Amino acid sequence: EAQVTQNPRYLITVTGKKLTVTCSQNMNHEYMSWYRQDPGLGLRQIYYSMNVEVTDKGDVPEGYKVSRKEKRNFPLILESPSPNQTSLYFCASSKLGYTDTQYFGPGTRLTVL
Amino acid sequence: LAKTTQPISMDSYEGQEVNITCSHNNIATNDYITWYQQFPSQGPRFIIQGYKTKVTNEVASLFIPADRKSSTLSLPRVSLSDTAVYYCLVGDVDTNAGKSTFGDGTTLTVKP
Repeated sequence: EAQVTQNPRYLITVTGKKLTVTCSQNMNHEYMSWYRQDPGLGLRQIYYSMNVEVTDKGDVPEGYKVSRKEKRNFPLILESPSPNQTSLYFCASSKLGYTDTQYFGPGTRLTVL
Repeated sequence: LAKTTQPISMDSYEGQEVNITCSHNNIATNDYITWYQQFPSQGPRFIIQGYKTKVTNEVASLFIPADRKSSTLSLPRVSLSDTAVYYCLVGDVDTNAGKSTFGDGTTLTVKP
């Protein structure tokens, strides 16, 4: 089944403790992207990747890192999480770019205390 | 990126047709219009995409006037399960663009 998976689905952590949210897609898509969603603010793009080893900033990249060493994986790294990074995070992928049909993962709800 | 403007919220009743309009005054020649649906705590789901005139699939219709400065997503005979947030995106499908902006979307509430 074609899908985007994220892990973990839920995470409660403390300020400053490094964490990684994994994202994997099995559709051989070139484009992958991370979004965060906060109440009343819609979806905001954090980082995106057009292909392996190619990443770029979205609208809200501060405090996040990403890597794209393999086509299928696009982990989101929070080196030193802070409470303002408490949010619902979505990973997405598409064949070519953001205007192509994007397939979203189930989301990761992160709470930073 | 073409900026889009949608109503923040809309209410409807079961069985009615719902039309959600998206304004995109600075749409470029090669831009397409794409709509997504998002249920609470789930990722958005692609609904429909179009370039001009009218596109219809099993879920919705998309109407795009000749000047393409706006578009209307039409949901026929909505049910309670159509309660969701609907997003309009505009961009060039041929340039493999990466930076995307979903905006705040339109929250549709369908009442019994």
